Amino acid sequence: GAVVSQHPSWVICKSGTSVKIECRSLDFQATTMFWYRQFPKQSLMLMATSNEGSKATYEQGVEKDKFLINHASLTLSTLTVTSAHPEDSSFYICSALGTAYSYEQFFGPGTRLTVL
Amino acid sequence: GENVEQHPSTLSVQEGDSAVIKCTYSDSASNYFPWYKQELGKGPQLIIDIRSNVGEKKDQRIAVTLNKTAKHFSLHITETQPEDSAVYFCAARDNTNAGKSTFGDGTTLTVKP
Repeated sequence: GAVVSQHPSWVICKSGTSVKIECRSLDFQATTMFWYRQFPKQSLMLMATSNEGSKATYEQGVEKDKFLINHASLTLSTLTVTSAHPEDSSFYICSALGTAYSYEQFFGPGTRLTVL
Repeated sequence: GENVEQHPSTLSVQEGDSAVIKCTYSDSASNYFPWYKQELGKGPQLIIDIRSNVGEKKDQRIAVTLNKTAKHFSLHITETQPEDSAVYFCAARDNTNAGKSTFGDGTTLTVKP
């Protein structure tokens, strides 16, 4: 199957700093990528949907100025958590839908963000 | 919008026994139903999926059944092994809705050796 990578796998930062997380589709072109947030022992919460070359569509309640999403190419999407605070600490997961795999959704390994 | 309910939230079985996890969905337009396995600290991995034009699909020890009329689908794992222990999520998707999936709340499966 197709592979989605995320970088970094974990990051610790100070409150007030910004953190960028990269999501890459390694062997396919992803027309659509999704960003999720997951709290311990909970389900995946969709934050936004990004399509290559266009603005991301954010879910209700997600601050688009706080969580900046860029999908500049068919293989790369980035999520930047701006002015991070401890309540932003979470597990962030991206996934991708490919042009060749229109049904299957491939997930990245996740990024653990801890804000001190 | 779509609503997916998943039961049970926790399931403990003895190694070798079968495990069944059930999900119901609300939107009759949903036409794709994947199941994911998530191990601690990792992203979800697709283990099996089914489309709405099929009633059952099997892959070795794993099977999924779909009842479109009743709007429910189930994951069946036979001959469970300790390495099957993980959190399992069901999802439902309508491909006309920008490919967005709605996930169940997850089932923590523990297989006791």
